[in-house]
Amino acid sequence: DTAVSQTPKYLVTQMGNDKSIKCEQNLGHDTMYWYKQDSKKFLKIMFSYNNKELIINETVPNRFSPKSPDKAHLNLHINSLELGDSAVYFCASSRRDTNTEAFFGQGTRLTVV
Amino acid sequence: AQKITQTQPGMFVQEKEAVTLDCTYDTSDPSYGLFWYKQPSSGEMIFLIYQGSYDQQNATEGRYSLNFQKARKSANLVISASQLGDSAMYFCAMREGKDAGNMLTFGGGTRLMVKP
Repeated sequence: DTAVSQTPKYLVTQMGNDKSIKCEQNLGHDTMYWYKQDSKKFLKIMFSYNNKELIINETVPNRFSPKSPDKAHLNLHINSLELGDSAVYFCASSRRDTNTEAFFGQGTRLTVV
Repeated sequence: AQKITQTQPGMFVQEKEAVTLDCTYDTSDPSYGLFWYKQPSSGEMIFLIYQGSYDQQNATEGRYSLNFQKARKSANLVISASQLGDSAMYFCAMREGKDAGNMLTFGGGTRLMVKP
């Protein structure tokens, strides 16, 4: 059983389009995240949600909007896609403890052309 | 200032030898956790090992051990008896106390290449 699953795995789209990436976890965790991994492999937190409430919103353009319908889901919607949005996006989840690891989805490779 | 620093962008190691991947961190929070993840070429993020700030002993998990030096704020990963399958990107990460939003902050990563 997949612990954290995100879809799609690959997404190729044109500039200006709107797209969504879905994420679901079946681990019973209360915190979920979105990370962006750029072409140099650097991983940067975008959003952190705890019990469906936004905890952290790093300096992310407001074209990116996370939606958490329930504790098990955290979707990422991106409006007006730009070339610079091309990256791998990871969803992750964890318990809200400093001593527990985060579990990651397999990543979504977004390519904007 | 960067919270997690990995100074080795790339490293080679001979198969069956041990290798140390460096990680230094910066925090004023007394309660934090340190993590190492492996990212093979297939792209998934694989959790390897955890060290808590209050742990007295260094963490070990199979061939992985963490050389935790709290005063120096370093948490180096040691991989013993390297295997070809260990070739991957390795990320050090830190989670600070609850007030920091619980997120993992990552270093820039080290690409490890194991030579046969």
